[in-house]
Amino acid sequence: GEEVAQTPKHLVRGEGQKAKLYCAPIKGHSYVFWYQQVLKNEFKFLISFQNENVFDETGMPKERFSAKCLPNSPCSLEIQATKLEDSAVYFCASSPLREGTNQPQHFGDGTRLSIL
Amino acid sequence: ILNVEQSPQSLHVQEGDSTNFTCSFPSSNFYALHWYRWETAKSPEALFVMTLNGDEKKKGRISATLNTKEGYSYLYIKGSQPEDSATYLCAFGSYNTDKLIFGTGTRLQVFP
Repeated sequence: GEEVAQTPKHLVRGEGQKAKLYCAPIKGHSYVFWYQQVLKNEFKFLISFQNENVFDETGMPKERFSAKCLPNSPCSLEIQATKLEDSAVYFCASSPLREGTNQPQHFGDGTRLSIL
Repeated sequence: ILNVEQSPQSLHVQEGDSTNFTCSFPSSNFYALHWYRWETAKSPEALFVMTLNGDEKKKGRISATLNTKEGYSYLYIKGSQPEDSATYLCAFGSYNTDKLIFGTGTRLQVFP
């Protein structure tokens, strides 16, 4: 598609439940990025993929968070045993080229995760 | 720890005013500086990506400059319109990584 598509738009989970978010990058884009936006406007980098390979996961919490980008499937970000502090908007972005930081990243509308 | 600072945090201007805001970033290992325009509940929209010291880019009434030696970029909006109301985010990219470090944004409100 011509846009980054994130689903669902809003996800509500009880504390301790699992949450799974999806992202379909723009067709032809090899690079996918996940960001977490918690307070004010701070976008915190979580993980990046080159096709189905993890490229940089230095922002991912060591426990409970995992992500995948499998061929012919939307990418996913999964949070096990959610905590209140996981409440945030999770943005996915994609980029066409290898050197992602000198190309604009194309963002989806985000998934708002609310942990009750 | 890499810090990207934006100022001011928020700005209220009248329609027709020109305005500018600042993004400060580390001057070492610089690779690229991005500007995004973001309306709440929508996706951030890329405005500019700048890579060279002294770069100036323009898109309609919006322009940006880059100084990589001292680590700052300015975004200018000429003749602000109510539809310019949004949060403007800058993001820093360094060598050997694809991740962007975002500032906390400048929230602009333009009153008719």
